[in-house]
Amino acid sequence: EPEVTQTPSHQVTQMGQEVILRCVPISNHLYFYWYRQILGQKVEFLVSFYNNEISEKSEIFDDQFSVERPDGSNFTLKIRSTKLEDSAMYFCASIGASTDTQYFGPGTRLTVL
Amino acid sequence: QQQVKQSPQSLIVQKGGISIINCAYENTAFDYFPWYQQFPGKGPALLIAIRPDVSEKKEGRFTISFNKSAKQFSLHIMDSQPGDSATYFCAASKFNTGKLIFGQGTTLQVKP
Repeated sequence: EPEVTQTPSHQVTQMGQEVILRCVPISNHLYFYWYRQILGQKVEFLVSFYNNEISEKSEIFDDQFSVERPDGSNFTLKIRSTKLEDSAMYFCASIGASTDTQYFGPGTRLTVL
Repeated sequence: QQQVKQSPQSLIVQKGGISIINCAYENTAFDYFPWYQQFPGKGPALLIAIRPDVSEKKEGRFTISFNKSAKQFSLHIMDSQPGDSATYFCAASKFNTGKLIFGQGTTLQVKP
């Protein structure tokens, strides 16, 4: 069964450093999302991406965040200058054109020291 | 208006019992209500979903009950098994956006 993959599974970084989280959505899916989950809390929407542009973003997704689909398969989330409060699990998700089921990847645990 | 409120926060059920988790929403524009199951260290996985044109949907041991007028929906897990022990999230979205608004999550423990 096709699945969303994410790399790395765990990223440790120093405060102020840039990180790039990578996702490979299910092939032929058209809508892409990033969510985050701070430990013990609910999953929160960050951004949605369709047709090579951001379709919606949350208040969390400030100027430090950016997303990109650099080629036909990868979808990335960049945090320009990480803060301690960016420590969380980051999930990528995707939806196909003919379904409303959003498939989530296994997540990247980001730890900012 | 964007919130989805979920209860209880945690639930302990004996094997074979019924687990019930409740959610309430505010935004009447929501038209898609999925439940996700999450095991430790894993991403959320879709369990079952419902649209507001039906009041109930059943898949195996899992049933969603939906009350449009009360803006509430619930997940019932029949014959709960230890393997069902996980965190369950309700969510809501407007279909054409896909953006999911999640509830706070319920940690379910099924005791053997």
